[in-house]
Amino acid sequence: EPEVTQTPSHQVTQMGQEVILRCVPISNHLYFYWYRQILGQKVEFLVSFYNNEISEKSEIFDDQFSVERPDGSNFTLKIRSTKLEDSAMYFCASSYQGVSRNEQFFGPGTRLTVL
Amino acid sequence: KNQVEQSPQSLIILEGKNCTLQCNYTVSPFSNLRWYKQDTGRGPVSLTIMTFSENTKSNGRYTATLDADTKQSSLHITASQLSDSASYICVVSVEAGTALIFGKGTTLSVSS
Repeated sequence: EPEVTQTPSHQVTQMGQEVILRCVPISNHLYFYWYRQILGQKVEFLVSFYNNEISEKSEIFDDQFSVERPDGSNFTLKIRSTKLEDSAMYFCASSYQGVSRNEQFFGPGTRLTVL
Repeated sequence: KNQVEQSPQSLIILEGKNCTLQCNYTVSPFSNLRWYKQDTGRGPVSLTIMTFSENTKSNGRYTATLDADTKQSSLHITASQLSDSASYICVVSVEAGTALIFGKGTTLSVSS
């Protein structure tokens, strides 16, 4: 069964460093998403991406964040200068159609720890 | 502000028993409501998706209900198993939007 994969599973970085989190969505999906979950809190939407551009972003997704689909299979989230409060689980998701019509499939997540 | 509230925050039941989890939402314009199961340290997995016109939907031992008038939903788990121990999250989407709005979840522990 097709699934969303994410690498790495755990990333430890120093405050101020740049990190890139990688995702491989399900191959025929057209919509891609990033969410984050701070330990003990609810999952929060960051950004959605379709047709090589951002469809929607939350107030969390500020100038420190960027997303990219560098090739036909990968979808990345870059945090330019990490802060302690960026420590969280980051989930990538994908769907064939937009969320109002279709199920989103989530990856296993990348745990980001900022020291 | 669009919000999803769930109760109870946590629940402990014995294996084989049934339970019902509650969700209230203030999301407009409403598109659909989903229930997800999230195991610790894993991504959420969809259990059910319901649109405005659907009152109930089942997936095996999971049955979700939706009352769009009162903006309430419930998830009923029948004959619980140890593997049902997880967080159950109510998630709502907005019409014409792409973001999912998550509740904080109910942590269910099933003991033998």
